[in-house]
Amino acid sequence: DTGVSQDPRHKITKRGQNVTFRCDPISEHNRLYWYRQTLGQGPEFLTYFQNEAQLEKSRLLSDRFSAERPKGSFSTLEIQRTEQGDSAMYLCASSLLAGYSGNTDTQYFGPGTRLTVL
Amino acid sequence: DQQVKQNSPSLSVQEGRISILNCDYTNSMFDYFLWYKKYPAEGPTFLISISSIKDKNEDGRFTVFLNKSAKHLSLHIVPSQPGDSAVYFCAASRHRAGKSTFGDGTTLTVKP
Repeated sequence: DTGVSQDPRHKITKRGQNVTFRCDPISEHNRLYWYRQTLGQGPEFLTYFQNEAQLEKSRLLSDRFSAERPKGSFSTLEIQRTEQGDSAMYLCASSLLAGYSGNTDTQYFGPGTRLTVL
Repeated sequence: DQQVKQNSPSLSVQEGRISILNCDYTNSMFDYFLWYKKYPAEGPTFLISISSIKDKNEDGRFTVFLNKSAKHLSLHIVPSQPGDSAVYFCAASRHRAGKSTFGDGTTLTVKP
């Protein structure tokens, strides 16, 4: 039983550098989400995909952020020109949204990538 | 404006007693509610959920109650165990809409 995995688990970078994170969802899940969590707060929604289509982006996701899920499986989140305010835990989650109306998509989270921008 | 609120940042209970964690929401469009447990350096772990068509859902020691008129839900843990010590997040979503909106969490400490 493989859960959601994220790589790397920790990333330290200097301000202005670009970083990329990877998320591998649970294999049969068609939805993939990115959240950001800062200390003392709950996860904040950034964006999500259904298969390869990016269906919604939060206003938190500035132009420096881009996410992809090219084949509907793994996803990457890239942050360009990092700023100190980008320091946070970046969480990925996946869910299975089936075709029948009774389903509600419970999201299962990975361990997160902790980003520190110096 | 915070649509999901957990007004108690922390809660301490004795082992074997009941833990009650509370959550309030403001968006009447929410129809699916979840509780997650989070240990340090790990992602949130799904615990239990409830649809708005129900007012109670039970899974072992965990029960979630939903009061739609008050826009309030609570998580009961009976009996509490030291291993339950963690941060508990309440989350809400609209059916099939995708994103979840989270509260800021309540840190539960269960003392032996």
